[in-house]
Amino acid sequence: GAVVSQHPSWVICKSGTSVKIECRSLDFQATTMFWYRQFPKQSLMLMATSNEGSKATYEQGVEKDKFLINHASLTLSTLTVTSAHPEDSSFYICRALGVAGVHTQYFGPGTRLTVL
Amino acid sequence: QKEVEQNSGPLSVPEGAIASLNCTYSDRGSQSFFWYRQYSGKSPELIMSIYSNGDKEDGRFTAQLNKASQYVSLLIRDSQPSDSATYLCAVNPLSNFGNEKLTFGTGTRLTIIP
Repeated sequence: GAVVSQHPSWVICKSGTSVKIECRSLDFQATTMFWYRQFPKQSLMLMATSNEGSKATYEQGVEKDKFLINHASLTLSTLTVTSAHPEDSSFYICRALGVAGVHTQYFGPGTRLTVL
Repeated sequence: QKEVEQNSGPLSVPEGAIASLNCTYSDRGSQSFFWYRQYSGKSPELIMSIYSNGDKEDGRFTAQLNKASQYVSLLIRDSQPSDSATYLCAVNPLSNFGNEKLTFGTGTRLTIIP
C-alpha cells in the first residue's frame, strides 16, 4: 500500500486564492521532505527541501514567500501556494526520506493544481 | 552540459524485446543512481537503485553502472505493454552527498508496441 499520501489529489481554484497541499508519511518517520513541481512533458523541478522542525531551503528562483513550506512533524509536511495564478498550475509532488536516507525514500502520488 | 542527460525518445520497442534506456551524468563523484518509472499523470515510482559498478538484476529489470564512463543504463527484458511509461534517471551527485537531493534527467518516453 501507499506509504506517502498527498491531499488533495487535485484542486481547482480561482486566481488569487491560496491552496494548501499536505504530504504525509504513513508508516515511517520522514526526516526530510522534498517538494517538486512538474509541468506537462517536463521533468521534475525541485522547489525546496525541508527537515522536520527547521525552515525549508528553497532552490534558486523559487519564491519562498509564495510557496510556504512547513514540516512541523516527522509525518507531515505542507506546501501552501499563496495568491495562486494560472502559471502556478502544475503537478506538485512530495518525496519523503526516512532515517535510512535514499534507502527509504518514497514519492507521494502528487497533487494536480489548476488555477483559473 | 546538463548534470544528468537522457534521450527524450520516444523509444519504441516491440513487445517481448529488450528495451535499453541510457543515462549519462557529469559529476564524477556521484554515489547513488536510481531509475524511476512514471506513468502519465502519476508520480514517479522507484524501480531500481545501483551504487557500485556492474550489473544489478531485479526480475525483468537490469541496471548497469559504469562510473569510469559516467554512464548508467536500464534494460527491460521481455517488454510488456504495461512497461510503456517515461523512465527517469536520477543521480545523487557528490555535491549533494549527505542531503540526498537527487538530480533528475528529463526522462525517456518508452512505448512497447503489441
